[in-house]
Amino acid sequence: AQSVTQLGSHVSVSEGALVLLRCNYSSSVPPYLFWYVQYPNQGLQLLLKYTSAATLVKGINGFEAEFKKSETSFHLTKPSAHMSDAAEYFCVLTGGGNKLTFGTGTQLKVEL
Amino acid sequence: DGGITQSPKYLFRKEGQNVTLSCEQNLNHDAMYWYRQDPGQGLRLIYYSQIVNDFQKGDIAEGYSVSREKKESFPLTVTSAQKNPTAFYLCASTIARAPNQPQHFGDGTRLSIL
Repeated sequence: AQSVTQLGSHVSVSEGALVLLRCNYSSSVPPYLFWYVQYPNQGLQLLLKYTSAATLVKGINGFEAEFKKSETSFHLTKPSAHMSDAAEYFCVLTGGGNKLTFGTGTQLKVEL
Repeated sequence: DGGITQSPKYLFRKEGQNVTLSCEQNLNHDAMYWYRQDPGQGLRLIYYSQIVNDFQKGDIAEGYSVSREKKESFPLTVTSAQKNPTAFYLCASTIARAPNQPQHFGDGTRLSIL
């Protein structure tokens, strides 16, 4: 069985501070992992993906994530938060076929 | 530009009424999906289709129906049997049988009960 756990349903950071959104996964087969962002009343946009080519993955808008097999983690980071980063972030897993397993999401708030 | 179009953006359903949500894509993707999003629960899979004229139930298919008569279109009907239809509905598509490829999402339809 596959699962994704996002630690912290709400994360608040100051503008300019480090953003760290945590994601742990469980998969019986080599995983493919994605981070998506969702702004209010919109669909999900792909931030980045891990497909086994490189463990450190860079995405759009200055985000990156590191795949750590030993820790079964795929945490999302950004060195300096911007007000426009305020949104909901989803960690997503596929371990076979096209079906996705979603985390429950982390709402990021960026404060002045 | 290629993408996925969902319509309408907002939809209201009366008791006992069926409503249909539209999803159209011009990405030439074989696989299409419908998800339901409720606050704090992430996204749950309703139905998916890997090829025209074929579709499978997802995790919460009861009270919903779909069709896949054309590659570009995957409409979702919320039937009167769905007793709690208020939610945000998202359609997605991707290349079939390619788990390393991301899904592309539409902008969603918000369904409410009158």
